[in-house]
Parts: sequence; structure tokens; C-alpha cells
Amino acid sequence: DIQMTQSPSSLSASVGDRVTITCRASQSISSYLNWYQQKPGKAPKLLIYAASSLQSGVPSRFSGSGSGTDFTLTISSLQPEDFATYYCQQSWLLFTFGPGTKVDIK
Amino acid sequence: EVQLLESGGGLVQPGGSLRLSCAASGFTFSSYAMDWVRQAPGKGLEWLSGISGSGGSIVNADSVKGRFTISRDNSRNTLYLQMNTLRAEDTAVYYCAKERGGGNSFSDWGQGTLVTVSS
Repeated sequence: DIQMTQSPSSLSASVGDRVTITCRASQSISSYLNWYQQKPGKAPKLLIYAASSLQSGVPSRFSGSGSGTDFTLTISSLQPEDFATYYCQQSWLLFTFGPGTKVDIK
Repeated sequence: EVQLLESGGGLVQPGGSLRLSCAASGFTFSSYAMDWVRQAPGKGLEWLSGISGSGGSIVNADSVKGRFTISRDNSRNTLYLQMNTLRAEDTAVYYCAKERGGGNSFSDWGQGTLVTVSS
């Protein structure tokens, strides 16, 4: 099984801040890494697929990078609607989600 | 517009069974792999099972092997999850998800259906 970790588990930030979330896989997953955003009571939403490809309709302030075992989701300028929980997911071998990173208002 | 609508959740006793359905519309259902993902109250996301567009290929998480069975009826544009021998720890919101063309990520999700396992 491939295990996924995320850091930090939570963070507090202000509107306009640059936010970076890290995801690490227990073994190399090439670029088979996706990022999702989930708001309370709602289904997850795909933001980034294949480590760095922006899903259609997702604002360009979201970006992803990395390959192998280490990946990053960056929000260049945090907006009020971005306060949510973010999950990474590997798709190299079946699917595994990371534990999530909650982004809340400072 | 892609729409995925889950149904079939509810309260079930430990050891019982339940079948979830996911009605799909807005895309050519048989052309896409589909998956089930769950989320226990206050917890993270857990992928459970996936099925190819034709239904000929199925993969499962170890946590549900032997208890949960995914299937699909392409004539009805519907995905199913048969859940047997339910346990308290299966209590969760269950989502169906459509894979992106080419697979490897979940581009569309249903709103979820709550399954509560309790006596």
C-alpha cells in the first residue's frame, strides 16, 4: 500500500496570503498526484490532477508541483472562498488520500 | 452538465446489508470509470472501490474486500455499491465519483448519501 502524509494538518492564514501545502508519498508515484478541495457539508472538488495540471474551471491562483514522492499545492493569493480542507490523492497504485489540511481564517 | 445522484443510504443494524445507487446523467456513462469514496463523520476521505466503463474491471480497497461489491448497469446509467456485514465503523457519507477521461482522478462527485450503522 502507498501511504500519504500532508503537512501541516492545519493552518491559519489571511486573505491575500500565499499558502503552501505539502504532500508526501511513501514511495515514488511519478506524477500520479491529485489535489481536492472540500468545504463543510460538500463533496470534494478536483483542483489539480497529474501533479500540476489545473482542472477546468479552477482559478489560476491554484498551482501544483512535484514528482516522485514530494508534492506541493500553492494558493498564490488566498481568497475568502478558499477556506476549506485540502486533500492530496495518489493514483499510481489504486487510490489513497492524504489526511487533509484544513485552511482557516487567521 | 454532469450530475451524480446517490441514494439508498439510511440507518442499518450491525451485520445488515444496504445497496447504494448512483444515478448518472450529462455524460456517456459507459465511457467512464466510476468509483465509490466514503467519509466517516469528522474524518478524511477513503477510496473504496472502482469499476471500468464496461464493468469488466473492478478494484477494491483491502478494507472492503469480501464485504462490498461495486457494479454498474450501463443501460440504466447507474452505479451500485452492495454493502454486506455492515459494522459501526462503516458509518459514513458515501460518494460516487466519475473519473476523468483517461482515469487517475475524480473529476465529478455526487452529493453523498449517509449510511449509519447502529443498533
